[in-house]
Amino acid sequence: EPEVTQTPSHQVTQMGQEVILRCVPISNHLYFYWYRQILGQKVEFLVSFYNNEISEKSEIFDDQFSVERPDGSNFTLKIRSTKLEDSAMYFCASSVEDRVTEAFFGQGTRLTVV
Amino acid sequence: GIQVEQSPPDLILQEGANSTLRCNFSDSVNNLQWFHQNPWGQLINLFYIPSGTKQNGRLSATTVATERYSLLYISSSQTTDSGVYFCAVLHGSSNTGKLIFGQGTTLQVKP
Repeated sequence: EPEVTQTPSHQVTQMGQEVILRCVPISNHLYFYWYRQILGQKVEFLVSFYNNEISEKSEIFDDQFSVERPDGSNFTLKIRSTKLEDSAMYFCASSVEDRVTEAFFGQGTRLTVV
Repeated sequence: GIQVEQSPPDLILQEGANSTLRCNFSDSVNNLQWFHQNPWGQLINLFYIPSGTKQNGRLSATTVATERYSLLYISSSQTTDSGVYFCAVLHGSSNTGKLIFGQGTTLQVKP
């Protein structure tokens, strides 16, 4: 069964460092997303991406965040200068379309900023 | 924006018991999904159910979109059912695929 794959599963980084979280969406999907879950809280939307453009971003997704689809298979989230409060589980998701369709989530990357 | 509320927030069951988890939402939706977050933090798709009823083994779900709620039924619960259950909705006016999650129901099944 096709699945969304995220790497790494865990990342520890020092405050102020840049991190790149990687995702391989399901191959025939056209819409890609990043979500965040701070420990013990609900899952929050960060950004949606379609046709090499951001289609929507949340207030959380400020200038320190960026997304990219560098090739035909990968989708990345870059955090430029990490802060302690960026520590969270980050989920990548993908879907065939943007409305009446099921979204599939990766297993998550647990980011710890120290 | 659309509000998503799940109840109860916490639930403790004895193995073998049945349970019903509820998800209420404040506006029309194009999509509703139920997820199970396991102890390792992974989000497992349970159901894609914008309307109607579906069953998968011991789990079933019903969404009544006109009344703005969805129910997740767990029958004959097992310890492996423990974890957090989230519902997530796609607002009817959204054209970006953005899912709004509820705060979750934390289920503990005791042996």
